[in-house]
Amino acid sequence: DIQLTQSPSSLSASVGDRVTITCRASQSISRSLNWYQQSPGKAPKLLIYAASHLQSGVPSRFSGSGSGTDFTLTISGLQPEDFASYYCQQSYSTLRTFGQGTKVEIK
Amino acid sequence: QVHFVQSGAEVKKPGASVKVSCKASGYTFTSHDIHWVRQAPGQSLEWMAWINAGNGDTQSSKKFQSRVTITRDTSASTAYMELDSLRSEDTAVYYCARSVGATQYFDFWGQGTLVTVSS
Repeated sequence: DIQLTQSPSSLSASVGDRVTITCRASQSISRSLNWYQQSPGKAPKLLIYAASHLQSGVPSRFSGSGSGTDFTLTISGLQPEDFASYYCQQSYSTLRTFGQGTKVEIK
Repeated sequence: QVHFVQSGAEVKKPGASVKVSCKASGYTFTSHDIHWVRQAPGQSLEWMAWINAGNGDTQSSKKFQSRVTITRDTSASTAYMELDSLRSEDTAVYYCARSVGATQYFDFWGQGTLVTVSS
């Protein structure tokens, strides 16, 4: 199976900060990488698909980049509603996998 | 609008089975695959399996291969996930999600079903 390693596992930030989360795949997955946001007690919400495409309705402060094995999710100007957990997920293999998650907390 | 409604919370004893349903609405059920993802308390998301809602083909993670059965009823626009030989480590919220096209991202999710395994 393709392993996804996210870093950091958690971070503390303030409203207005720029935040970067990375996801590294155990093998090349082209651009088949998606990002989700999950708030406590809620189902995940799609933010970015195919590495860099913003899902409809998602604020433009979210952006994604990368290809091959290294990917990045950036939040430019953190808002109060952005304090949540973030997960990467690969769709290169039919056996899908998720990263272990990054929890973004208020500093 | 696309919407998924999952069955209610379950409490099961170790060794039992559980069957969770996921009813879809707002789109042509057979046009999209349905995936199952679980999340143990305080843990990450874990992909389990998927079903081609059109032809019924399935595939599951090696971890669950021997214990999980994914089915669908196209007349009811409903997918099902059955997990056998439950153990305490299977206590989790189980989600269904729809995947989209060639990129296969999960754009709509069910609300989740809590399955508690306890003696």
